[in-house]
Amino acid sequence: GAVVSQHPSRVICKSGTSVKIECRSLDFQATTMFWYRQFPKQSLMLMATSNEGSKATYEQGVEKDKFLINHASLTLSTLTVTSAHPEDSSFYICSARDPTGWGETQYFGPGTRLLVL
Amino acid sequence: AQSVTQLDSHVSVSEGTPVLLRCNYSSSYSPSLFWYVQHPNKGLQLLLKYTSAATLVKGINGFEAEFKKSETSFHLTKPSAHMSDAAEYFCVVVGNSGGYQKVTFGTGTKLQVIP
Repeated sequence: GAVVSQHPSRVICKSGTSVKIECRSLDFQATTMFWYRQFPKQSLMLMATSNEGSKATYEQGVEKDKFLINHASLTLSTLTVTSAHPEDSSFYICSARDPTGWGETQYFGPGTRLLVL
Repeated sequence: AQSVTQLDSHVSVSEGTPVLLRCNYSSSYSPSLFWYVQHPNKGLQLLLKYTSAATLVKGINGFEAEFKKSETSFHLTKPSAHMSDAAEYFCVVVGNSGGYQKVTFGTGTKLQVIP
């Protein structure tokens, strides 16, 4: 089946630093990737939609200057948390849209756990 | 409109007994349905998926789910629980309408397996 990877799986950083998270589709080309954030005891929240070759579309309430998204190729999207603060500590998950095969669908990466000290 | 309801936030079973995790959905689109598992301090792992093919879907680790359109359900089952099955399980609906997709995650069900 389709595989989506994320790197790193865990990251700990100091407050004020920036952290980059990579999302890769390993066996298909994804024109669209999505970034989610999982809050404790809550379901996933869609942060933004990343389109290859164009600007990302952010959901209401998500700061685009804080959460920089770059979809550099059909298999790679990156999320950079700039000037991270403890409240940014969370579980970030990406998904990639596979346009081929039976039914266009999305596959989720394993997630990246960010802890900001 | 689209929604996912995981009817139980916690399920507790004894080792060796059957597991049933319930998921009901509604979608105005043609849905694909998934079950993901998240072990403590681990990432999401795809258990199984339904994408308009066979309604009974077999996944990894002995899990399976049946898509029942008439009941708008996609319950996850396993004949015999193992201690390693203790984790949180998420039901996910991806609705397709032309070029537009909407993803809805359930709130999760924590499975406890008692020795």
